[in-house]
Amino acid sequence: GENVEQHPSTLSVQEGDSAVIKCTYSDSASNYFPWYKQELGKRPQLIIDIRSNVGEKKDQRIAVTLNKTAKHFSLHITETQPEDSAVYFCAAILSGGGFKTIFGAGTRLFVKA
Amino acid sequence: NAGVTQTPKFQVLKTGQSMTLQCAQDMNHNSMYWYRQDPGMGLRLIYYSASEGTTDKGEVPNGYNVSRLNKREFSLRLESAAPSQTSVYFCASSRRPGTSGIYEQYFGPGTRLTVT
Repeated sequence: GENVEQHPSTLSVQEGDSAVIKCTYSDSASNYFPWYKQELGKRPQLIIDIRSNVGEKKDQRIAVTLNKTAKHFSLHITETQPEDSAVYFCAAILSGGGFKTIFGAGTRLFVKA
Repeated sequence: NAGVTQTPKFQVLKTGQSMTLQCAQDMNHNSMYWYRQDPGMGLRLIYYSASEGTTDKGEVPNGYNVSRLNKREFSLRLESAAPSQTSVYFCASSRRPGTSGIYEQYFGPGTRLTVT
């Protein structure tokens, strides 16, 4: 069945450094790839997304890249701040298939001040 | 505009008991979803409904049933609760597949369920 693998499971960086989280998906028909941030005790919220016809997208300090051939996509956070500390989830969605959504297992990011 | 609401917030059940988790959205979204979240396992899709009148199985549907009561409401039922169903349950909604723009899923606050 469909699967999304996410690495690393835990990531610790110094404030100001960059953080990179990587995901691999199995269903080549997936065409929409969002990233969600979940702070402790709160609900997940969308931070950025990318469609299969786009290779890279940037929004201030965060960017996402997609390699459809390799079925890889990555989240890049630059100039990390303590408030970036949270769990980040990637997901792969087949938008023509009723939006069945498969999430990765999550990456817990710690940004040390 | 309340967004996505869920009831109850917390629930403790004994093994074998049944219950229904309620979810409602006021954003006129067509698609709705139920997830469970366990430590280290991310969000796993239980059931989803692309539009009113349709429901489909997700990754982990066993032990659950759903009802898309109308466009606003999507309920999740546990017929005979088991300790393995102890989890945090999130409901979410999004715009209809095929429309242009961001397909953001908006999540409810979650229901923390413990089965003893």
